[in-house]
Amino acid sequence: DAKTTQPNSMESNEEEPVHLPCNHSTISGTDYIHWYRQLPSQGPEYVIHGLTSNVNNRMASLAIAEDRKSSTLILHRATLRDAAVYYCILRDGLSGANSKLTFGKGITLSVRP
Amino acid sequence: NAGVTQTPKFRILKIGQSMTLQCTQDMNHNYMYWYRQDPGMGLKLIYYSVGAGITDKGEVPNGYNVSRSTTEDFPLRLELAAPSQTSVYFCASSYGGVGYGYTFGSGTRLTVV
Repeated sequence: DAKTTQPNSMESNEEEPVHLPCNHSTISGTDYIHWYRQLPSQGPEYVIHGLTSNVNNRMASLAIAEDRKSSTLILHRATLRDAAVYYCILRDGLSGANSKLTFGKGITLSVRP
Repeated sequence: NAGVTQTPKFRILKIGQSMTLQCTQDMNHNYMYWYRQDPGMGLKLIYYSVGAGITDKGEVPNGYNVSRSTTEDFPLRLELAAPSQTSVYFCASSYGGVGYGYTFGSGTRLTVV
């Protein structure tokens, strides 16, 4: 699976939007972009995924660059509960279910009250 | 709707002892996974299973064994515990395809002394 690059950390203010970047310059045409987050002392939690088009769900939005070499996870209104480690992960669509989640260090998001 | 349940939540083992970490899911997922997470690091895959009776090694399988006799259960066995196995262990399950997310348990914190 192709690798992703994320900043180590980011800070935001409560009730403001947060944009978490992820670079994946070696992404292939069949790679899906997945985001997970891990709250303190908990297991990871699925957030969102996409292939080419931007995606929205109740938790967040995923904006994918036109060349797919980067993506941004958008939290529209950060809350204190959003403070977590966010992982950007690529999964190869050709491998199907054999493409397992491979975690990097992720980006640690801090939210200021 | 319990999701993925792991027991125990905490355990202290002495070097050389053995134990089994339990994992049960009630979502009828075919795919199940065991990860470990060392402090400040991302998760590493230990073993996974694509269905009852089928298991395979992940990135860091040494010192562990698994079995999958039912769809619901995927226990992880530690034989001859070593200090290097001190970690937090997470079990996860999924329908399998890249369009599906993983559901993680809340983890087992293991200390080997």
